[in-house]
Amino acid sequence: GAVVSQHPSRVICKSGTSVKIECRSLDFQATTMFWYRQFPKQSLMLMATSNEGSKATYEQGVEKDKFLINHASLTLSTLTVTSAHPEDSSFYICSARAYEGEDEETQYFGPGTRLLVL
Amino acid sequence: KQEVTQIPAALSVPEGENLVLNCSFTDSAIYNLQWFRQDPGKGLTSLLLIQSSQREQTSGRLNASLDKSSGRSTLYIAASQPGDSATYLCAVRPEGSGTYKYIFGTGTRLKVLA
Repeated sequence: GAVVSQHPSRVICKSGTSVKIECRSLDFQATTMFWYRQFPKQSLMLMATSNEGSKATYEQGVEKDKFLINHASLTLSTLTVTSAHPEDSSFYICSARAYEGEDEETQYFGPGTRLLVL
Repeated sequence: KQEVTQIPAALSVPEGENLVLNCSFTDSAIYNLQWFRQDPGKGLTSLLLIQSSQREQTSGRLNASLDKSSGRSTLYIAASQPGDSATYLCAVRPEGSGTYKYIFGTGTRLKVLA
């Protein structure tokens, strides 16, 4: 099956710094990727939809200037948490929608990135 | 606004039991529904996907049903095993042109005791 990777898998940073998380579709092209955030013992909350070659669409309540999304190619989307604060500590998961074919309705999820801001 | 709820929130059972996990959603205008498994600190694994026109899907010991009109889905796990211990999430994809995002439920944390 299709594989989505995330890098890094875990990151610890100081408050005020910026952190970039990468989401890659390894063996398929993804025109659309999604970024989710998951707090401990809670479900996934969609943050934004990342579209290749255009601006991301953010969910209500998500600060677009704080969570910068770039989808520069059909296999890579990045999420940058700017001026991170301890409350940004969370598990960030991306998913990628396959470009075409019978897998069009299937989204493939990455393994997640755990961010800890000190 | 679509809301997805899962009951129970947590479940602990002895090995071998048959289980039913419940998922309800408030807006029946969905394109499909998926059940996922999440192991602690890990990403998601898709288990079953049910299109809105379907009533159920089966994979091995798993069977998922969908009653779109009543806003309910159930995941049935037969002969549970310790390896089934994980959090199970259901998610719905709302209807709408160009809408591919999923709205996730609150999850059921399952522990199967050996």
